[in-house]
Amino acid sequence: DAKTTQPPSMDCAEGRAANLPCNHSTISGNEYVYWYRQIHSQGPQYIIHGLKNNETNEMASLIITEDRKSSTLILPHATLRDTAVYYCIAARATGKLIFGQGTTLQVKP
Amino acid sequence: GAVVSQHPSRVICKSGTSVKIECRSLDFQATTMFWYRQFPKKSLMLMATSNEGSKATYEQGVEKDKFLINHASLTLSTLTVTSAHPEDSSFYICSASVSLSNEQFFGPGTRLTVL
Repeated sequence: DAKTTQPPSMDCAEGRAANLPCNHSTISGNEYVYWYRQIHSQGPQYIIHGLKNNETNEMASLIITEDRKSSTLILPHATLRDTAVYYCIAARATGKLIFGQGTTLQVKP
Repeated sequence: GAVVSQHPSRVICKSGTSVKIECRSLDFQATTMFWYRQFPKKSLMLMATSNEGSKATYEQGVEKDKFLINHASLTLSTLTVTSAHPEDSSFYICSASVSLSNEQFFGPGTRLTVL
């Protein structure tokens, strides 16, 4: 599975968009980009995933570069409840997920 | 959405005892279940992958005789920490997936403290 690189921490003002970057320069053609988040002392929560095209759901948008070497998760209107550790993972469909260190997002009032 | 439960949510035990943690998919049948553990302020570490009716596949460095995994049905997997020691104290999390789905559904985790 391809390794991903994320900044260790980011701050965002409440109500503003949070843009979380992820590098996955060694991603292979059959690997998806998955995003999960973990709020303190809870199990991870699925956010979104994509292969090539940009994706949007009720939680977030995922922008994947054309060369697939990086992506950005966008939370359009961050709230205090979005404070969590966000994990970007490159993995095959139904394959095992290898978690990196993630990005700790702190949403501030 | 799909729900995965774990029981117990937290357990404290004496050193040398064995502890069983259950992971259930409540509203779907899981073809594959995964077990992770997480130490304080660290990321999740995959321990093993299990498919219903077959032996679990353990990640490198995880002792299969120490962490017994049984995947007896499509809705239940159990992790037994045998002869637990204080260094086994951790947050244990399971997840479940179904075939043809790209999503893993995670349980709420079990906090194990070994005295």
